Amino acid sequence: AQSVAQPEDQVNVAEGNPLTVKCTYSVSGNPYLFWYVQYPNRGLQFLLKYITGDNLVKGSYGFEAEFNKSQTSFHLKKPSALVSDSALYFCAPFIYNQGGKLIFGQGTELSVKP
Amino acid sequence: DTEVTQTPKHLVMGMTNKKSLKCEQHMGHRAMYWYKQKAKKPPELMFVYSYEKLSINESVPSRFSPECPNSSLLNLHLHALQPEDSALYLCASSPYSEGNQPQHFGDGTRLSIL
Repeated sequence: AQSVAQPEDQVNVAEGNPLTVKCTYSVSGNPYLFWYVQYPNRGLQFLLKYITGDNLVKGSYGFEAEFNKSQTSFHLKKPSALVSDSALYFCAPFIYNQGGKLIFGQGTELSVKP
Repeated sequence: DTEVTQTPKHLVMGMTNKKSLKCEQHMGHRAMYWYKQKAKKPPELMFVYSYEKLSINESVPSRFSPECPNSSLLNLHLHALQPEDSALYLCASSPYSEGNQPQHFGDGTRLSIL
């Protein structure tokens, strides 16, 4: 079965500190990998994606993610967290079978305190 | 501002009512999606339209009926819903359904079934 895991339901970080939101996946082939963020009462917003190439990808709002093929991980990072980064974060590989679709992790709630 | 517009933002309906959710995008995207999301949970894919044809139906009950009248518009017709159908319904679009381009989400319709 194809799956994606975000092992932490919640991550707490002090403003100005670096943050990491973890994601590992078990998907056949070489999937496209995405991170989305959801602020309260909003839809999901695209942050960044890995298709191929450099293992470190940069995205919106200063976020970046590191792809590790051997560990099948795609961790989201930011060097210095802001209070406004507090939101729900979803990792989502795109799988090709079953018609082609995103499969979402369970989500990680990031809380950044001043 | 989101580029995918969903109406209405909120909807309360009884179990015997018929209503419709509407989604519109003017980005020229040829793939459109309906998702259901419960609070603090990941979105669950319901339907995918590709070039105005239904390409994925995730075994959704027939009380949900999607329609794609043209490439910019996606509807979700609701009839005889159950209380467990109360959720946030998200629409998304992408240039095409092959997956290496991100999906753009609307802010959703929050549906409550009495």
